[in-house]
Formats: sequence, structure tokens, C-alpha cells
Amino acid sequence: SQQGEEDPQALSIQEGENATMNCSYKTSINNLQWYRQNSGRGLVHLILIRSNEREKHSGRLRVTLDTSKKSSSLLITASRAADTASYFCATDATGGSYIPTFGRGTSLIVHP
Amino acid sequence: DAMVIQNPRYQVTQFGKPVTLSCSQTLNHNVMYWYQQKSSQAPKLLFHYYDKDFNNEADTPDNFQSRRPNTSFCFLDIRSPGLGDAAMYLCATSRHPQGQGLNEQFFGPGTRLTVL
Repeated sequence: SQQGEEDPQALSIQEGENATMNCSYKTSINNLQWYRQNSGRGLVHLILIRSNEREKHSGRLRVTLDTSKKSSSLLITASRAADTASYFCATDATGGSYIPTFGRGTSLIVHP
Repeated sequence: DAMVIQNPRYQVTQFGKPVTLSCSQTLNHNVMYWYQQKSSQAPKLLFHYYDKDFNNEADTPDNFQSRRPNTSFCFLDIRSPGLGDAAMYLCATSRHPQGQGLNEQFFGPGTRLTVL
């Protein structure tokens, strides 16, 4: 089964609102990454958060990591229509294999 | 600009006709990945290389092969494409983990494969 699972699967909001997406995973990890994918394109890296970190910021993005709950959240503040995309979390389990495992993704639509 | 390039962007092939997808990178990363992504699904790792060290995922069909002749180039060969192989194929690169977990992956734009 997949390591990461995002929820919700789909999110529809108005421009200016905040968008929150969650990712849960099953096993201990080295780090967790969030990626963005515009329709029909490759993935773009957003943020990497290591297992010993609890929160990271990048511009309008805020990522939290709770290793006790095996979950992470991605918050996009003051969303824009251009944020419309799919967002994926990716984890790599501890144990040295360094295999990236992606969740199913959250499809975000931001209405202008 | 340093980047990951995939060619072609769109590939149409016939059922059973071999096809090769290519990926090149100017980032000089020693790790390269091939993913298969079907509509509204997560990218699924097919294989990856640490330098020339090839790592095949356990559930990657034998129909899929890969070659990495040098650091910059990596190829995905589909020997006998079936209708179920129609998907987006994504190439990605990263620096070696060096004991700290995976680093950021840089993705190409993908090749959309259609099987007729």
C-alpha cells in the first residue's frame, strides 16, 4: 500500500482563502516532501521537511510535520488562481532504501 | 538553466511496437528515476539509478527496461506496449542521499504515451 495518503482528494476554494492539505503515512521516515503538479506537466518541488523538524515556511507555504501522528500538513495562504494544481506528499522510509513514495495527491481548484 | 529534459513530449505507438523514451539532465545528479503516472493517480516508481547501479522496483513489469549510458542520459524501453501502459512517464533526478534521506527531486515535463 502507499506510504503517503493525502486528504482531501479534492479541494475547491475562492481566491484569497487559505488551503490546507494533509498527508498521512505509515512508517518512520527520514523526511517528507511536498510537490506541486500542474495539469499534464512534471512535478515541482515545494518544500522538504526533515523528521527532526516540526515546521517550515516558504513564501505563502507553511508545512508542519507531526511524527508522533505520522502526518503532515501543507497550508497555502491567500491562495491565487495560479495555485490551481495537484499537490503530492512524498516520503522515504527509514532503513536506507531511499525509495520515494508518493501519495495520491490533493487536487486544488482556486476560483478567481 | 540546469534542467531535466524529456523527449518526446508526446509519443504514440501501436500495441506491441517497442518504444523508447529518453531523459537527459544538466544538473550532474547521480540519481535518476523513472515514474509512471496514470490519470489522477500518484507517480509510481518503476526504477532508479545510483550512478550506474540499477534498482528495479519489485512490481515493475519485465516489459519495462532501462539504460543509463552516462550520467546525463537515461532511457526507458517498453518492449511490447499494451493498452495498459498508456500513461505519463516522468523522469526525475536528485543528488545522492548521503545518509540524510532523499533530497529534492527535479522532474522533467514528462512524456505522454498513447498506445493504439
